[in-house]
Amino acid sequence: AQKITQTQPGMFVQEKEAVTLDCTYDTSDQSYGLFWYKQPSSGEMIFLIYQGSYDEQNATEGRYSLNFQKARKSANLVISASQLGDSAMYFCAMREAGSARQLTFGSGTQLTVLP
Amino acid sequence: GAGVSQTPSNKVTEKGKYVELRCDPISGHTALYWYRQSLGQGPEFLIYFQGTGAADDSGLPNDRFFAVRPEGSVSTLKIQRTERGDSAVYLCASSLTGSYGYTFGSGTRLTVV
Repeated sequence: AQKITQTQPGMFVQEKEAVTLDCTYDTSDQSYGLFWYKQPSSGEMIFLIYQGSYDEQNATEGRYSLNFQKARKSANLVISASQLGDSAMYFCAMREAGSARQLTFGSGTQLTVLP
Repeated sequence: GAGVSQTPSNKVTEKGKYVELRCDPISGHTALYWYRQSLGQGPEFLIYFQGTGAADDSGLPNDRFFAVRPEGSVSTLKIQRTERGDSAVYLCASSLTGSYGYTFGSGTRLTVV
């Protein structure tokens, strides 16, 4: 079974609008961490936001927020006030307690911000 | 350096040849990771170093792949008898032990022809 599922291969959003990128995960661990990364065409992975499984509040970092619904095992990324520079590939990832700290990534969502 | 440096940025090699990919992590980062990203996919874990030792090499696809980190800083990923299916972007990341802050390099794009 896929550990991280991103069901939206591509998304479009109008500049200045908000967009939600979906991520569901599968783990039997009680302790785990969820990450979102941005990968522009240059190729590097840029860390956006982190949510620990025991964190009671949703994580926020500037225009990024993580809609964490533990019972549904979802960790959607919300980008507010989209900018043209937000156009990139976005990956959801998970680190499980017993995984020796490596990340398991989803297949990504290509976000295009339209002017 | 300020970030994770990977060299070369691009490598084209012939099928059957040997290649070495280098990763220079952030100074002081004890943990180092190698990932492989095929076209249109998310990165897949290959190997994790804590200091000089490979703490988890369960992601290496076969014995043609090997990685070292002899002094606990720079790491080299070595691929023997390259195959066309090895073509991918190889990403390196480093972090402080206990931190969730992973910093990735820009990757090495390997093309096997």
